[in-house]
Amino acid sequence: AQSVSQHNHHVILSEAASLELGCNYSYGGTVNLFWYVQYPGQHLQLLLKYFSGDPLVRGIKGFEAEFIKSKFSFNLRKPSVQWSDTAEYFCAVNARTSGTYKYIFGTGTRLKVLA
Amino acid sequence: SAVISQKPSRDICQRGTSLTIQCQVDSQVTMMFWYRQQPGQSLTLIATANQGSEATYESGFVIDKFPISRPNLTFSTLTVSNMSPEDSSIYLCSVAPGLQNNEQFFGPGTRLTVL
Repeated sequence: AQSVSQHNHHVILSEAASLELGCNYSYGGTVNLFWYVQYPGQHLQLLLKYFSGDPLVRGIKGFEAEFIKSKFSFNLRKPSVQWSDTAEYFCAVNARTSGTYKYIFGTGTRLKVLA
Repeated sequence: SAVISQKPSRDICQRGTSLTIQCQVDSQVTMMFWYRQQPGQSLTLIATANQGSEATYESGFVIDKFPISRPNLTFSTLTVSNMSPEDSSIYLCSVAPGLQNNEQFFGPGTRLTVL
């Protein structure tokens, strides 16, 4: 069965530190990859997505992610975090399963950025 | 993109009762989905709400417990029936306006507490 793993459940960083959140998935076919963010008290928002082409994708607020097909990974990065990046981050895979496309979410990573 | 609203935003219910959650989208969409996000866990797909036909349920979810209606392309309801404290969760509606279920947009969620 398809699955998405996020290795870091809780991350605490100081402002200006660099961020990398891991995401690995298990699926042998073509996938579309996403990172969603949920700020405190707000609903899920799309941060960035990968469908095809350049494996390095850039999203909003300075975030980027790199798709490494050989490693089944789609790690999220930001060179310098801000206090306002405190949120929960979800990696998601959209893959064709039993004739339909379905989203599978990772368990999420809670990021706390200290001012 | 799509703008999604949900009602109610939160509710506290007694064991054994039922609650119907409404999801309204500002445009016509083919694919609508209902998710559950239990405390400290990721999003789990409950079912895909199909317009004009019965919903498609994921493993572990059944129609008797989570009946879904989809009367038109902009609206859906999810009922949580015969509730128990284990049903306490956030219930999210999402839509995929594009083809192939790419890029989902999420509603603000309904926070349900069952006493």
